[in-house]
Amino acid sequence: DAGVIQSPRHEVTEMGQEVTLRCKPISGHNSLFWYRQTMMRGLELLIYFNNNVPIDDSGMPEDRFSAKMPNASFSTLKIQPSEPRDSAVYFCASSLGDRGLPYEQYFGPGTRLTVT
Amino acid sequence: GNSVTQMEGPVTLSEEAFLTINCTYTATGYPSLFWYVQYPGEGLQLLLKATKADDKGSNKGFEATYRKETTSFHLEKGSVQVSDSAVYFCALSSREGRRALTFGSGTRLQVQP
Repeated sequence: DAGVIQSPRHEVTEMGQEVTLRCKPISGHNSLFWYRQTMMRGLELLIYFNNNVPIDDSGMPEDRFSAKMPNASFSTLKIQPSEPRDSAVYFCASSLGDRGLPYEQYFGPGTRLTVT
Repeated sequence: GNSVTQMEGPVTLSEEAFLTINCTYTATGYPSLFWYVQYPGEGLQLLLKATKADDKGSNKGFEATYRKETTSFHLEKGSVQVSDSAVYFCALSSREGRRALTFGSGTRLQVQP
């Protein structure tokens, strides 16, 4: 299996620009997670989907952030407009999440975002 | 709510030394517990897991035992190598409610030759 695929791996953009991060989960997985990692705050869950439906978006920082999962094999995280404080590594993870089973998640390589 | 507490890093050891990274948790019900490892510039990789009390997860010489009585899941390795240098994250996942992982803050391990 190819694993979780994220693109781009690196993104440098200017403040105010729109940024779109992409994720392809592992085939057959029905849960998808977006995390943000910074030195100050560590790993934070932004949002997760189950069967393409957003279940918990309480971690999304503000209205500038939005996420979609139009089908089982693709998700996007969009920041509009971007700000320097959004600079971080954004990880996508997927899992086969059913009740009663351990929710083992598989992570992508991450997108390192720098907003200048 | 759920939370995971890890020992502060960095932990610096010489090659072949014994490693312990402490992890304690707070959770409702009976969570599953995980250790993830992150090598420089890479994403997180699952290292080992345990799904119920007294389970021992093991992989690549690392071990951790799910201790319900002390709400702990300490990571151990008998003899570390330079290639083990990485950041280690303890995490839990509840069987009820929120399905996402709750992570500890991570512990950086540096192994010197």
